[in-house]
Amino acid sequence: SAVISQKPSRDICQRGTSLTIQCQVDSQVTMMFWYRQQPGQSLTLIATANQGSEATYESGFVIDKFPISRPNLTFSTLTVSNMSPEDSSIYLCSVEDQGGREKLFFGSGTQLSVL
Amino acid sequence: RKEVEQDPGPFNVPEGATVAFNCTYSNSASQSFFWYRQDCRKEPKLLMSVYSSGNEDGRFTAQLNRASQYISLLIRDSKLSDSATYLCVVNKDSGYSTLTFGKGTMLLVSP
Repeated sequence: SAVISQKPSRDICQRGTSLTIQCQVDSQVTMMFWYRQQPGQSLTLIATANQGSEATYESGFVIDKFPISRPNLTFSTLTVSNMSPEDSSIYLCSVEDQGGREKLFFGSGTQLSVL
Repeated sequence: RKEVEQDPGPFNVPEGATVAFNCTYSNSASQSFFWYRQDCRKEPKLLMSVYSSGNEDGRFTAQLNRASQYISLLIRDSKLSDSATYLCVVNKDSGYSTLTFGKGTMLLVSP
C-alpha cells in the first residue's frame, strides 16, 4: 500500500489569497488525483496530475483556479487560487494502487476554511 | 436520478446488530463497484470491492444487482469500531477518473 503525506492538514485563509497543498508519496506512481469533499457532499475529482504533462481537469474545474504541479513521480501540489468562502472544503490527494486493482489510496486531507 | 445515491442515515444500531446499506447507480454500463469507509475527519479507505457473484470479507458481505442497479453492504455483529461513513463508489469505465462517489451512509454503533 502507498503511504501519502499531505500538508497542511488544515488552514484558515482570508478571501483573495492562495493556498498550496503538498502531497508526497512513498513510492513512484504514474497518476495522482486531487479531490474535493465539500460539507455533506460526495468526493469530486478536480484533476488528474501526470508527471511530465499538464494536469487533466474535470468539468467545472479550471487551471487558473486550481493550478497543479507534478515535478516527479512522488510529489504533487494543488493550489487553490483567489479563494472565496465557497472554496471551504476538504482537499484530498490520491494515488492508484500500483497493483492495478482500481483501488485508491488517499492522503489525510487538508481542511480549508476561507473567511 | 443521481449517478450514485445512498441513504445518508445516520443508522443507529446497538453492538451486535446486523445492518444493511443500499446504494443505487444510474449508469447501467457501470463496470466496477466498491465500498469505502471514511472515519470522522479521516480519509476514505477501501473496504471491499463488489463482485457480480457477491463477496464476503469476515463480517462484511457485498452484493451487486445489475438488473436493478443497486449495491448493498451487510455488516453482521456490529462493533463500536464500525462507526463510520460508508461510501458507495461506482466506476462507469475502467479508468480512475470515472470513479463516482456517493455521499455516504453514516453508521453509529452504540454500546
